[in-house]
Amino acid sequence: QVQLQESGPGLVKPSQTLSLICTVSGGSISSGSYYWSWIRQPAGKGLEWIGRIHTSGSTNYNPSLESRVTISVDTSKNHFSLKLSSVTAADTAVYYCARGIRVVVPAATNWFDPWGQGTQVTVSS
Amino acid sequence: SSELTQDPAVSVALGQTVRITCQGDFRTYYASWYQQKPGQAPVLVIYGKNNRPSGIPDRFSGSSSGNTASLTITGAQAEDEADYYCNSRDSSGNQWVFGGGTKLTVL
Repeated sequence: QVQLQESGPGLVKPSQTLSLICTVSGGSISSGSYYWSWIRQPAGKGLEWIGRIHTSGSTNYNPSLESRVTISVDTSKNHFSLKLSSVTAADTAVYYCARGIRVVVPAATNWFDPWGQGTQVTVSS
Repeated sequence: SSELTQDPAVSVALGQTVRITCQGDFRTYYASWYQQKPGQAPVLVIYGKNNRPSGIPDRFSGSSSGNTASLTITGAQAEDEADYYCNSRDSSGNQWVFGGGTKLTVL
């Protein structure tokens, strides 16, 4: 079955760009109709959806992060990536990647499955 | 702040039934639900009208009506103690959002 694995630096300096990769195994990232997504969770807090990229290449971002976020796909490497610019301590969190699915029939809904194990990113000088 | 509102904490006696709720707009959209145990990634437990992924016990069920989506655990077990998050779309319909989470304690 499909599995996801996040990777990237665990420490990023303030004002720099956070870059993470989510490698997809067990299936092709370019097949099907999926929304490859990033979600984060500060310590002791809830989940925050960051954004998604569809198999077609279209993207949608959380409005609160949109000015700083870019999500892209590299089909040759079967992975998608997250870039978050101008980071501050408030961006310190566990970052998860997940496969999103959205359907409209028989009823409109969406869900995330599977998830990566998550990677801790700390913003500090 | 999230467009989906959950009670921060709920408790249930072992073997009893508990309902975890999520306030939002569910008139034409179903929520999905996730279980998260400490130090672990979230796990999908309910999606769509009332669908369980393979491996999720049938004591988990979902429902929704108007402004409330619910996750019900019938006969709660000690291993069900966890944080639970609902997920849906925002008011624009273009983004996804999570509720603030509910910490479930099994007594």
